[in-house]
Amino acid sequence: GQNIDQPTEMTATEGAIVQINCTYQTSGFNGLFWYQQHAGEAPTFLSYNVLDGLEEKGRFSSFLSRSKGYSYLLLKELQMKDSASYLCAVRDNQGGKLIFGQGTELSVKP
Amino acid sequence: KAGVTQTPRYLIKTRGQQVTLSCSPISGHRSVSWYQQTPGQGLQFLFEYFSETQRNKGNFPGRFSGRQFSNSRSEMNVSTLELGDSALYLCASSLDRGPNSPLHFGNGTRLTVT
Repeated sequence: GQNIDQPTEMTATEGAIVQINCTYQTSGFNGLFWYQQHAGEAPTFLSYNVLDGLEEKGRFSSFLSRSKGYSYLLLKELQMKDSASYLCAVRDNQGGKLIFGQGTELSVKP
Repeated sequence: KAGVTQTPRYLIKTRGQQVTLSCSPISGHRSVSWYQQTPGQGLQFLFEYFSETQRNKGNFPGRFSGRQFSNSRSEMNVSTLELGDSALYLCASSLDRGPNSPLHFGNGTRLTVT
Protein backbone atom coordinates (compact mmCIF):
# COMPACT_ATOMS: atom_id res chain seq x y z
CA GLY A 1 0.00 0.00 0.00
CA GLN A 2 0.92 3.67 -0.11
CA ASN A 3 1.36 5.45 3.19
CA ILE A 4 3.01 8.72 4.11
CA ASP A 5 3.04 9.90 7.72
CA GLN A 6 3.87 13.28 9.17
CA PRO A 7 2.86 15.00 12.40
CA THR A 8 -0.41 16.89 12.23
CA GLU A 9 0.70 20.00 14.08
CA MET A 10 3.85 21.63 15.42
CA THR A 11 4.56 24.85 17.24
CA ALA A 12 7.88 26.68 17.35
CA THR A 13 9.26 30.06 18.38
CA GLU A 14 10.42 32.83 16.08
CA GLY A 15 14.16 32.59 15.49
CA ALA A 16 14.34 28.92 16.48
CA ILE A 17 14.93 25.76 14.42
CA VAL A 18 12.22 23.18 13.70
CA GLN A 19 12.40 19.74 12.13
CA ILE A 20 9.36 18.23 10.42
CA ASN A 21 9.58 14.48 9.92
CA CYS A 22 8.05 12.33 7.22
CA THR A 23 8.04 8.55 6.92
CA TYR A 24 6.82 6.74 3.85
CA GLN A 25 5.93 3.29 2.58
CA THR A 26 5.22 3.26 -1.13
CA SER A 27 5.28 0.62 -3.84
CA GLY A 28 7.82 2.65 -5.82
CA PHE A 29 10.16 5.55 -5.17
CA ASN A 30 11.32 8.15 -7.61
CA GLY A 31 12.03 11.05 -5.30
CA LEU A 32 10.58 12.97 -2.37
CA PHE A 33 9.27 16.52 -2.46
CA TRP A 34 8.45 19.09 0.20
CA TYR A 35 5.84 21.77 -0.40
CA GLN A 36 4.70 24.75 1.64
CA GLN A 37 1.06 25.80 1.62
CA HIS A 38 -0.24 28.97 3.26
CA ALA A 39 -3.95 29.03 4.08
CA GLY A 40 -6.01 29.75 0.99
CA GLU A 41 -3.04 29.57 -1.32
CA ALA A 42 -1.44 27.07 -3.70
CA PRO A 43 1.25 24.66 -2.50
CA THR A 44 4.70 25.94 -3.48
CA PHE A 45 7.71 23.74 -4.16
CA LEU A 46 10.46 23.80 -1.52
CA SER A 47 12.81 20.89 -2.14
CA TYR A 48 13.48 17.59 -3.89
CA ASN A 49 15.54 14.61 -2.70
CA VAL A 50 16.18 11.44 -4.64
CA LEU A 51 19.56 10.40 -3.19
CA ASP A 52 20.38 9.89 0.47
CA GLY A 53 21.68 12.92 2.27
CA LEU A 54 21.04 16.55 2.98
CA GLU A 55 20.00 19.21 0.45
CA GLU A 56 20.39 22.78 1.66
CA LYS A 57 18.58 25.77 0.22
CA GLY A 58 18.93 28.92 2.28
CA ARG A 59 17.06 28.62 5.58
CA PHE A 60 15.48 25.33 4.46
CA SER A 61 17.19 21.93 4.31
CA SER A 62 15.76 18.52 3.49
CA PHE A 63 17.19 15.12 4.34
CA LEU A 64 16.45 11.69 2.90
CA SER A 65 17.22 8.13 3.98
CA ARG A 66 15.80 5.72 1.42
CA SER A 67 16.70 2.60 3.43
CA LYS A 68 14.67 3.92 6.38
CA GLY A 69 11.85 5.43 4.31
CA TYR A 70 12.44 8.69 6.15
CA SER A 71 12.83 12.35 5.37
CA TYR A 72 12.83 15.57 7.30
CA LEU A 73 12.52 19.25 6.50
CA LEU A 74 14.63 21.57 8.64
CA LEU A 75 13.68 25.22 8.95
CA LYS A 76 16.22 27.56 10.54
CA GLU A 77 15.86 31.11 11.86
CA LEU A 78 12.10 30.78 11.90
CA GLN A 79 10.03 33.76 10.85
CA MET A 80 6.35 34.44 11.42
CA LYS A 81 5.73 34.04 7.69
CA ASP A 82 6.86 30.41 7.97
CA SER A 83 3.54 29.59 9.65
CA ALA A 84 1.97 27.29 7.06
CA SER A 85 1.21 23.68 6.23
CA TYR A 86 4.20 21.61 5.07
CA LEU A 87 3.45 18.73 2.74
CA CYS A 88 5.66 15.71 2.16
CA ALA A 89 5.09 13.95 -1.17
CA VAL A 90 6.59 10.88 -2.83
CA ARG A 91 6.81 10.37 -6.56
CA ASP A 92 6.27 6.72 -7.27
CA ASN A 93 7.37 5.06 -10.48
CA GLN A 94 4.41 6.31 -12.44
CA GLY A 95 5.49 9.52 -14.09
CA GLY A 96 4.12 12.73 -12.68
CA LYS A 97 1.94 11.30 -9.94
CA LEU A 98 2.75 12.49 -6.40
CA ILE A 99 1.44 10.83 -3.25
CA PHE A 100 0.99 13.38 -0.49
CA GLY A 101 1.02 13.12 3.28
CA GLN A 102 -1.70 14.90 5.24
CA GLY A 103 0.56 17.87 5.92
CA THR A 104 2.04 19.35 9.08
CA GLU A 105 0.51 22.61 10.29
CA LEU A 106 3.37 24.72 11.68
CA SER A 107 2.61 27.66 13.95
CA VAL A 108 5.43 30.11 14.64
CA LYS A 109 4.94 32.13 17.84
CA PRO A 110 6.69 35.39 18.73
CA LYS B 1 6.46 34.02 -16.51
CA ALA B 2 2.81 33.54 -15.60
CA GLY B 3 2.01 30.75 -13.19
CA VAL B 4 -0.65 28.07 -13.43
CA THR B 5 -4.05 29.67 -13.93
CA GLN B 6 -7.26 28.01 -12.85
CA THR B 7 -10.78 29.22 -13.54
CA PRO B 8 -13.15 29.78 -11.96
CA ARG B 9 -11.80 30.42 -8.43
CA TYR B 10 -15.11 29.65 -6.76
CA LEU B 11 -18.11 27.62 -7.85
CA ILE B 12 -21.38 26.68 -6.17
CA LYS B 13 -23.40 23.87 -7.68
CA THR B 14 -26.38 21.72 -6.72
CA ARG B 15 -26.36 17.95 -6.31
CA GLY B 16 -26.86 16.19 -9.62
CA GLN B 17 -25.42 18.97 -11.74
CA GLN B 18 -22.16 18.78 -13.61
CA VAL B 19 -19.17 21.11 -13.61
CA THR B 20 -16.16 21.86 -15.79
CA LEU B 21 -12.97 23.33 -14.36
CA SER B 22 -10.22 24.84 -16.48
CA CYS B 23 -6.45 24.98 -16.10
CA SER B 24 -3.78 26.81 -18.11
CA PRO B 25 -0.28 25.50 -17.33
CA ILE B 26 2.92 27.50 -17.19
CA SER B 27 4.09 28.29 -20.70
CA GLY B 28 6.23 25.43 -22.01
CA HIS B 29 4.97 22.91 -19.48
CA ARG B 30 3.53 19.82 -21.10
CA SER B 31 2.37 17.75 -18.14
CA VAL B 32 -0.79 18.65 -16.23
CA SER B 33 -2.06 16.89 -13.11
CA TRP B 34 -5.22 17.37 -11.09
CA TYR B 35 -5.62 16.91 -7.33
CA GLN B 36 -8.55 17.11 -4.93
CA GLN B 37 -7.84 18.66 -1.53
CA THR B 38 -10.15 18.21 1.45
CA PRO B 39 -9.51 18.70 5.18
CA GLY B 40 -10.06 15.01 5.90
CA GLN B 41 -8.23 13.38 3.00
CA GLY B 42 -5.54 15.92 2.14
CA LEU B 43 -4.30 16.04 -1.45
CA GLN B 44 -5.60 13.14 -3.53
CA PHE B 45 -4.38 12.48 -7.08
CA LEU B 46 -7.07 12.56 -9.75
CA PHE B 47 -5.26 12.23 -13.08
CA GLU B 48 -2.27 13.27 -15.15
CA TYR B 49 -2.12 14.32 -18.79
CA PHE B 50 0.84 14.61 -21.11
CA SER B 51 0.69 15.31 -24.84
CA GLU B 52 -3.11 15.16 -24.78
CA THR B 53 -3.06 11.61 -23.36
CA GLN B 54 -4.09 10.50 -19.90
CA ARG B 55 -1.00 8.87 -18.37
CA ASN B 56 -2.26 8.13 -14.87
CA LYS B 57 -5.56 7.95 -13.06
CA GLY B 58 -6.29 7.99 -9.34
CA ASN B 59 -8.96 6.07 -7.44
CA PHE B 60 -11.93 8.26 -8.24
CA PRO B 61 -15.24 7.18 -9.78
CA GLY B 62 -15.91 7.53 -13.49
CA ARG B 63 -17.91 10.71 -12.81
CA PHE B 64 -14.53 12.45 -12.75
CA SER B 65 -12.98 12.91 -16.15
CA GLY B 66 -10.56 15.21 -17.88
CA ARG B 67 -8.80 16.08 -21.07
CA GLN B 68 -5.84 18.02 -22.37
CA PHE B 69 -5.73 20.13 -25.50
CA SER B 70 -2.94 20.57 -28.03
CA ASN B 71 -1.83 23.80 -26.31
CA SER B 72 -1.46 21.83 -23.02
CA ARG B 73 -4.46 23.52 -21.43
CA SER B 74 -6.59 21.07 -19.49
CA GLU B 75 -10.14 20.71 -18.26
CA MET B 76 -11.69 18.39 -15.74
CA ASN B 77 -15.33 17.51 -15.55
CA VAL B 78 -17.39 16.13 -12.70
CA SER B 79 -20.85 14.83 -13.54
CA THR B 80 -23.78 14.04 -11.24
CA LEU B 81 -22.29 16.06 -8.40
CA GLU B 82 -22.52 14.74 -4.85
CA LEU B 83 -22.16 16.63 -1.57
CA GLY B 84 -18.87 14.84 -0.97
CA ASP B 85 -17.38 16.41 -4.10
CA SER B 86 -17.12 19.72 -2.26
CA ALA B 87 -13.38 20.41 -2.20
CA LEU B 88 -10.54 22.51 -3.49
CA TYR B 89 -9.48 21.23 -6.92
CA LEU B 90 -5.86 21.95 -7.70
CA CYS B 91 -4.19 21.79 -11.07
CA ALA B 92 -0.42 21.45 -11.33
CA SER B 93 1.91 21.60 -14.30
CA SER B 94 5.45 20.39 -14.81
CA LEU B 95 7.92 20.74 -17.63
CA ASP B 96 7.86 17.04 -18.41
CA ARG B 97 7.32 13.68 -16.73
CA GLY B 98 10.89 13.40 -15.46
CA PRO B 99 11.25 12.32 -11.84
CA ASN B 100 12.95 15.54 -10.76
CA SER B 101 10.40 17.84 -12.41
CA PRO B 102 8.52 19.54 -9.58
CA LEU B 103 4.81 20.23 -9.85
CA HIS B 104 3.79 23.89 -9.89
CA PHE B 105 0.30 24.39 -8.53
CA GLY B 106 -2.42 26.86 -9.39
CA ASN B 107 -4.53 28.55 -6.71
CA GLY B 108 -7.32 26.07 -7.24
CA THR B 109 -11.06 26.09 -7.78
CA ARG B 110 -13.13 25.93 -4.61
CA LEU B 111 -16.21 23.84 -5.43
CA THR B 112 -19.18 23.79 -3.08
CA VAL B 113 -21.99 21.34 -3.74
CA THR B 114 -25.31 22.04 -1.98
